[in-house]
Amino acid sequence: GIQVEQSPPDLILQEGANSTLRCNFSDSVNNLQWFHQNPWGQLINLFYIPSGTKQNGRLSATTVATERYSLLYISSSQTTDSGVYFCAEGSNNAGNMLTFGGGTRLMVKP
Amino acid sequence: ETGVTQSPTHLIKTRGQQVTLRCSSQSGHNTVSWYQQALGQGPQFIFQYYREEENGRGNFPPRFSGLQFPNYSSELNVNALELDDSALYLCASSLGGALSYEQYFGPGTRLTVT
Repeated sequence: GIQVEQSPPDLILQEGANSTLRCNFSDSVNNLQWFHQNPWGQLINLFYIPSGTKQNGRLSATTVATERYSLLYISSSQTTDSGVYFCAEGSNNAGNMLTFGGGTRLMVKP
Repeated sequence: ETGVTQSPTHLIKTRGQQVTLRCSSQSGHNTVSWYQQALGQGPQFIFQYYREEENGRGNFPPRFSGLQFPNYSSELNVNALELDDSALYLCASSLGGALSYEQYFGPGTRLTVT
């Protein structure tokens, strides 16, 4: 099945800084999602972005399907942005399953 | 619109016991997927149910089983619990068919096996 690699694994930012998180895929990208997992474990949908660019407030994402990667941009970071960010690719290998990367653990300091 | 709910929130079981976790899908969604998330890792796909039938399964043994009911809610059952089954169990719901890749997750059930 598809392999998903996320970088960096850990990131510490000062409040107000910008950051870029990356996801690389071993196979073609067709159904990419970005999630934020808060400290209580809830996975929150950020973007469904199989291709192109989307923006939602301080967050934006770009997927270049032909080059098998996706980027998540966080601008003017806030302490509430802390948590783990996951990307996941949907495939039909065994039902419509999501394959997740290992995550980027973000800590934003005040 | 009601989101995905899961119960219980936390659970402690002893090795060898059996456990049942429950999930109610988001309104309008007919597909439910279950994932296991070990500490410090990304979620791993267990299986998916669509219209009360298992629609796909990840690399988990048969002691992990499930059900989906006519109202699209779902159960995950784990028999003969092992210490390594300690994890956060996440349920996700989605629309059926070609739209089912975009999944919405519940808050999870944290299972501890001692």
